Amino acid sequence: AQTVTQSQPEMSVQEAETVTLSCTYDTSENNYYLFWYKQPPSRQMILVIRQEAYKQQNATENRFSVNFQKAAKSFSLKISDSQLGDTAMYFCACLGSVGETSGSRLTFGEGTQLTVNP
Amino acid sequence: DSGVTQTPKHLITATGQRVTLRCSPRSGDLSVYWYQQSLDQGLQFLIQYYNGEERAKGNILERFSAQQFPDLHSELNLSSLELGDSALYFCASSVDLRANYNEQFFGPGTRLTVL
Repeated sequence: AQTVTQSQPEMSVQEAETVTLSCTYDTSENNYYLFWYKQPPSRQMILVIRQEAYKQQNATENRFSVNFQKAAKSFSLKISDSQLGDTAMYFCACLGSVGETSGSRLTFGEGTQLTVNP
Repeated sequence: DSGVTQTPKHLITATGQRVTLRCSPRSGDLSVYWYQQSLDQGLQFLIQYYNGEERAKGNILERFSAQQFPDLHSELNLSSLELGDSALYFCASSVDLRANYNEQFFGPGTRLTVL
């Protein structure tokens, strides 16, 4: 079983500043994958960044980067130079296997509502 | 645009009724997933199909069922609807069924309102 916890229900940041969203997870698997998804008011789920657990190097996508601490089971998202369009709900998710059928599933955290203020 | 399509976008129905939600995966994707997003339960995995076969099951109620057809589109059937079934239902698709770096692409969702 997997669990994902986001302890910050809401956060705000000024435009052009940096903000970090926290996420902790628990899994019994050796091989798993971590994601941050963004859900703007349109409700579309948009992949922001991904991290393979077997890679020690932290993933980076333009203004988005992660701090992956495998031993601590921590996976935080840093947004640099925040823009008004970054205002959205952000979900941390863990992708793992399900049972013996080799299926898979995403387990999501509760989400963090980020507001970027002008 | 993720390439995953879902119909209808919105659905309003009454308690006790039955509805069918439809999903077409991205071209080439064999695996389809259904997720439910509600205010009290958050985002929850319901079920996964791969090439027509059920592969993984999550917190799916017995009143709910799904299937994947030979053309790979999937349908989620919700019956004996209750007020608490009101939610946003997402379909996602991926190339493979396994968890090894198997990115899931999400559709726009179907918003179900049960009155």
